[in-house]
Parts: sequence; structure tokens; C-alpha cells
Amino acid sequence: QVQLQESGPGQVKPSETLSLTCSVSGASISSHHWSWIRQPPGEGLEWLGYIFETRNAKYSPSLKSRVTISVDTSKNQFSLRLTSVTAADTAVYYCARLGFLSGYYEYWGRGTLVTVSS
Amino acid sequence: EIVMTQSPATLSVSPGERATLSCRASQSVSSNLAWYQQKPGQAPRLLIYGASTRATGIPARFSGSGSGTEFTLTISSLQSEDFALYLCQQYDNWPPFTFGPGTKVDI
Repeated sequence: QVQLQESGPGQVKPSETLSLTCSVSGASISSHHWSWIRQPPGEGLEWLGYIFETRNAKYSPSLKSRVTISVDTSKNQFSLRLTSVTAADTAVYYCARLGFLSGYYEYWGRGTLVTVSS
Repeated sequence: EIVMTQSPATLSVSPGERATLSCRASQSVSSNLAWYQQKPGQAPRLLIYGASTRATGIPARFSGSGSGTEFTLTISSLQSEDFALYLCQQYDNWPPFTFGPGTKVDI
């Protein structure tokens, strides 16, 4: 049973860096594509990026300059860093895993709300 | 970037009725289209992939159809647990993967 769990601060100040971690059980972080997706309150889903083979990452063009996704194989975790945040970055952040050789998301974490506020 | 739109924004139906939800892509995505169900406070749940293939454990009352730019999700006989937000996602051309804004199915 693949399970994902997000963790990190629930509040970040404007202009600072948002950092979240996703802990994975039931699957190796060295396999598959691992993603971050967010959902602002009352809005739709926005794909932020993914990482595969522990070091190859692709990011949303609209956020590419601010987003970094990385892997910690020793902890079977992957992480999100989003720099220079504003109120527009307030959202529920989900970690998720793509299906094998596919582009749809089979497994999701429960999500964590991050509020950008001073 | 492929833009996904969904209609209607809200669909009001009664239990036992049939619900038909639409998803449209700004350019062809072939059959690379997925549907998700999302309940308040929960993560999305994969329902359909490949435009028409039900994911593991999804009841047969959910069916998907379409290709290219026009897609439909049909719930043949709504159960109480089906009242939720339904989202479509294209995975034909990325980055980025893009999602529609959703259709809320309520009573």
C-alpha cells in the first residue's frame, strides 16, 4: 500500500521560502515520478513539478524560477522549496505519484494547508 | 499550455438520477485524459484514465468517453457518496500537466 504524507510549516511570511516534505511508504523514492500539486482555497489544481530517478526534475514554466524539488533517498522522502512567496501562494499543497509510465496520479497525500501571511 | 475547461460549474441532481459532466481541452489531447473525484477536505481520487478506463476499485456506474478535445464523465445512477467535485486532467502535453476547474455535483 503506497502512502504519502506531507509535512511542514502551516504559515510562511511573504518574501520567505516555503519548504515542505513528503514522506513515502510502500514504494521506493528511487522509482516513479513524484510530484507537488497545489490548490488555492476554492480553486482548481495547479501542477508545480515532478522529480524522477532522484535527480531529474521538471517544473511548471510559470513557477520554474521559484520552485525546486529534491529527493532524500536515505529517508525515502522528497521535498518542495518555493521561494519569494506571496499571498497568491496560499494553498493546500499535495504530494502525489504518477502511475507507472503514465501521466495520471494514482496516489496522493492528504494535503497540507500553507498560508502566506505576516 | 493546454487549457482545460469544464461544464457546468455546478450540477444539481437527485439520488438515482444520471449525471453527465463535460471537459474540453484547448487543443487535442488524444485519449490522455483523467477524471478525479474530490470530496471536501480530501485529496483527489483517480476515477478514470485513458479517457475511458476505470481505475482500480471504481464502480461501474462511472464511465468516461471522448477523445481529442471533448470528453464526458457519466455517473449512471447517483449515490449519496457521489456528491463531490469532479476534475479532469490532461497528460498529453507537459510540462505542465493541467487540470480543469471542476464540476461540483450537489443535491
